[in-house]
Amino acid sequence: EAGVTQFPSHSVIEKGQTVTLRCDPISGHDNLYWYRRVMGKEIKFLLHFVKESKQDESGMPNNRFLAERTGGTYSTLKVQPAELEDSGVYFCASSQFRNTEAFFGQGTRLTVV
Amino acid sequence: DAKTTQPPSMDCAEGRAANLPCNHSTISGNEYVYWYRQIHSQGPQYIIHGLKNNETNEMASLIITEDRKSSTLILPHATLRDTAVYYCIVRRSQETSGSRLTFGEGTQLTVNP
Repeated sequence: EAGVTQFPSHSVIEKGQTVTLRCDPISGHDNLYWYRRVMGKEIKFLLHFVKESKQDESGMPNNRFLAERTGGTYSTLKVQPAELEDSGVYFCASSQFRNTEAFFGQGTRLTVV
Repeated sequence: DAKTTQPPSMDCAEGRAANLPCNHSTISGNEYVYWYRQIHSQGPQYIIHGLKNNETNEMASLIITEDRKSSTLILPHATLRDTAVYYCIVRRSQETSGSRLTFGEGTQLTVNP
């Protein structure tokens, strides 16, 4: 069975540009999470989808970040416009139920220059 | 979610048991103890979780004290590939409540040859 897949693995963009990260959860997992680690900091929660609905988006840093999960399958996280402080590793995770273990993807390393 | 306290680093000899402690003195009755690890440049990996009783799976054992204020993750025969940052996380168990994972700084375990 395929695990959580994230694309791209690396992205380097200039400040002010737009980047879209994609996450494909494990098949059948209704719960999808986004996390990120910025340089030198801890891994922080961004938001949680249950199917296509945003269950908790309290971790989203500001309105430059937009997450979608149309159809309740894969999810995208768009950063527009990107700022230098957005650099870091963005992780996606999925779980079958809200209170079961979450499985993480390998992450997307975003570098804003 | 309850805060956890872990030592910043530990060393272990290859082939020996690695015992990683975690304090969670403010844990409440509906919160589980989860352990994840992050091997360099990879996504966090689920290891094990428990509520009250000790748990064992193919990766590790989890020992939770009777008062639930602390726990120990045991890797019975550590290998070089177990070198990673280990995170002890307390997480609510209810289906209807938030299910985010709150990562701290974790313990850097180094397994030496």
